[in-house]
Amino acid sequence: RKEVEQDPGPFNVPEGATVAFNCTYSNSASQSFFWYRQDCRKEPKLLMSVYSSGNEDGRFTAQLNRASQYISLLIRDSKLSDSATYLCVVNHDGGSQGNLIFGKGTKLSVKP
Amino acid sequence: GAVVSQHPSRVICKSGTSVKIECRSLDFQATTMFWYRQFPKQSLMLMATSNEGSKATYEQGVEKDKFLINHASLTLSTLTVTSAHPEDSSFYICSARRLAGEIRSYNEQFFGPGTRLTVL
Repeated sequence: RKEVEQDPGPFNVPEGATVAFNCTYSNSASQSFFWYRQDCRKEPKLLMSVYSSGNEDGRFTAQLNRASQYISLLIRDSKLSDSATYLCVVNHDGGSQGNLIFGKGTKLSVKP
Repeated sequence: GAVVSQHPSRVICKSGTSVKIECRSLDFQATTMFWYRQFPKQSLMLMATSNEGSKATYEQGVEKDKFLINHASLTLSTLTVTSAHPEDSSFYICSARRLAGEIRSYNEQFFGPGTRLTVL
């Protein structure tokens, strides 16, 4: 079983739609959780961290369920510029190394 | 946000040659830098963790004699792909973590723009 699993998509949605991505992780000792965004042939960029209480940043809402080892990202009112691959990332080290484990990503395409 | 640069952004070389990739943190000090590799349609895979002033820690399956890492200062780490072969063609990305920061950003890594290596 892969450490971080995501639905690869693609998710093709119209502008203005609400879309949700899910992610599961296998290591129950994972301590930190993130969503990164990666545009084609570019480096990943941090979108938001994910906290146990859930957190929101504008149109983006992230949720974490430690019991189910499940992370989600909700995007409301999708924009064309949201088109990218969204990477679910966990860190189960938590110590000085802080190694990040990346999922393969979910591709989102927002159409006009 | 913090800025990390990589050089070169793209390199094409012949099989058997060595290629050096530089990773610099431009506006902060990074005791730890990470080197990742990403093949097409695959996830980023950590190759090694580079600590300033000490030997790098390599992930299982990554040959330390083939991928030489030097972290000579708090702002620079280099990855040298020695005797490159076509199967080494990939997207190499470095990241750097701040020396200190807010608790919530402790594990945040700032990524360089990546280096696309093509070995003919």
